[in-house]
Amino acid sequence: NAGVTQTPKFQVLKTGQSMTLQCAQDMNHNSMYWYRQDPGMGLRLIYYSASEGTTDKGEVPNGYNVSRLNKREFSLRLESAAPSQTSVYFCASSEAPGLARYEQYFGPGTRLTVT
Amino acid sequence: EDQVTQSPEALRLQEGESSSLNCSYTVSGLRGLFWYRQDPGKGPEFLFTLYSAGEEKEKERLKATLTKKESFLHITAPKPEDSATYLCAVPKGSASKIIFGSGTRLSIRP
Repeated sequence: NAGVTQTPKFQVLKTGQSMTLQCAQDMNHNSMYWYRQDPGMGLRLIYYSASEGTTDKGEVPNGYNVSRLNKREFSLRLESAAPSQTSVYFCASSEAPGLARYEQYFGPGTRLTVT
Repeated sequence: EDQVTQSPEALRLQEGESSSLNCSYTVSGLRGLFWYRQDPGKGPEFLFTLYSAGEEKEKERLKATLTKKESFLHITAPKPEDSATYLCAVPKGSASKIIFGSGTRLSIRP
């Protein structure tokens, strides 16, 4: 099992450009998440999908959109990138929401720089 | 406001020198607490889930404990390969949302 995979691993964008970060999991998990990680601020939830066909905003959703393409795939789109979106982005998945025993499994991350 | 605070921010130990990392939280109706390990340039890796005060879990040189206000990650006789950032997290509202602390960066010198 590959677990959670993310593409690309690195990306440099200019202000105003758009891009989509891709995430896929092969663990048959129901729930998927997008986080960003900035120095000193920990991991912050951008959007999540509790199950296929649903998406909800997290703590810092502004400037982002998501698509739960199917049970395996969850993409994050930046429509008009800003320097404040320079960060490391992590995708995660878990068996199901609603109960604390469902730990999350993380991908390797995408390092995004917006100039 | 729901919050998770980890201390210290960074800890440097000599190989074999035991210590503890702290995670304190202010979340109503705690439904569990997670510990993760994160190596540089990688995503967090799940270590433990603790569900109720008094619970303890162990894995190799790590032992996690939970009280009503905080959790400790005890590291016994650490080795250089234990060097990493350790994150704790608690569910907020539904467990779909999890609040992470900023982490403790642990460095073990040979």
